[in-house]
Amino acid sequence: GQSLEQPSEVTAVEGAIVQINCTYQTSGFYGLSWYQQHDGGAPTFLSYNALDGLEETGRFSSFLSRSDSYGYLLLQELQMKDSASYFCAPRDSGYALNFGKGTSLLVTP
Amino acid sequence: DAGVTQSPTHLIKTRGQQVTLRCSPKSGHDTVSWYQQALGQGPQFIFQYYEEEERQRGNFPDRFSGHQFPNYSSELNVNALLLGDSALYLCASSLVGNPYEQYFGPGTRLTVT
Repeated sequence: GQSLEQPSEVTAVEGAIVQINCTYQTSGFYGLSWYQQHDGGAPTFLSYNALDGLEETGRFSSFLSRSDSYGYLLLQELQMKDSASYFCAPRDSGYALNFGKGTSLLVTP
Repeated sequence: DAGVTQSPTHLIKTRGQQVTLRCSPKSGHDTVSWYQQALGQGPQFIFQYYEEEERQRGNFPDRFSGHQFPNYSSELNVNALLLGDSALYLCASSLVGNPYEQYFGPGTRLTVT
């Protein structure tokens, strides 16, 4: 079977750093994707980790530990526009993105 | 470079009716996936099409069917609509070798009354 856990809500202050954790259980794990979705908008691809370690893309970084079935998304220098839902999506041997309920991030002034 | 486009934007149907949603993938993409997103939930995978064939299907009943055309565009058909089918339907396109990086369209908001 498959399971996915993320915090439902996270609140952080503008300019701060926030980490959104993701633990997963899936058979035939290939890698972990992260997507951002603003209210009323479409999901947008942020990053993909196939190997253990940290991937950095601008203010966003994503980390994966395959042995712990764990990953996180790190957002630095938070801006108001970062308020959105964030989804981790483990990839198994298929082609689907397996989203959970996601994490709602609220950035406050 | 046009991104993923979907039509219509909004749709209101009556229970028992049938609906067809349309999607044009991002230029250069050959694979189209469909997702259903209920309010407050993450997108749920319906199916994926590649080379005009259904390549993988999620946990959705046979009332949900699709098609991919030679130009890679796709349709999602839902028969015998139920109130529970009310949701945002998202189309995503990708390259066959990069299934983890999918580009989503703005979605079609379907309301079943």
